[in-house]
Amino acid sequence: DAKTTQPPSMDCAEGRAANLPCNHSTISGNEYVYWYRQIHSQGPQYIIHGLKNNETNEMASLIITEDRKSSTLILPHATLRDTAVYYCIVRGYTGTASKLTFGTGTRL
Amino acid sequence: NAGVMQNPRHLVRRRGQEARLRCSPMKGHSHVYWYRQLPEEGLKFMVYLQKENIIDESGMPKERFSAEFPKEGPSILRIQQVVRGDSAAYFCASSSGQRGAPLHFGNGTRLTVT
Repeated sequence: DAKTTQPPSMDCAEGRAANLPCNHSTISGNEYVYWYRQIHSQGPQYIIHGLKNNETNEMASLIITEDRKSSTLILPHATLRDTAVYYCIVRGYTGTASKLTFGTGTRL
Repeated sequence: NAGVMQNPRHLVRRRGQEARLRCSPMKGHSHVYWYRQLPEEGLKFMVYLQKENIIDESGMPKERFSAEFPKEGPSILRIQQVVRGDSAAYFCASSSGQRGAPLHFGNGTRLTVT
């Protein structure tokens, strides 16, 4: 699976949009981009994922660049409850579902 | 739909005892993953199982640790003869196994070895 690079920490004012970047320049064609967050010591929470197209759900939006080498997670109106470590993960599919490998993430 | 259920939430064991951690996946999910998070450290993959089969155990310590996911019932992570270094949060995740399907995590079992 491709490696990802994220800033170690970011700040965001409450009520403003939080834009969390992720670099995955070695991503290959069959690899998806996933975003998770971990609030304090709870279990990781799935946020959103995508392959090529931008995606939106009730939690966030995922913007993937056309060359797929980077992506941005957007939390439209950040609140204190969004304080967490955010993980960007790239995972391929080889006929069977494989593990997710967590890096160090971005502390928001 | 109920999420991934793990029990117990907290488990205290003395050195040398056995710890059994249980995980019930989300309804319809037949793929289970176990992760460990040591205090102040990141999430580390341990093992991936699909009903009655171990698919990937590349992160599992070679001794004292075992995992199973029987045809009926929850997945079990078993730690024999626990040591203080086993104290950690153990998280289970499940997936449908379909292409691109995400993993959904439980809230973990916090094991303390005294």
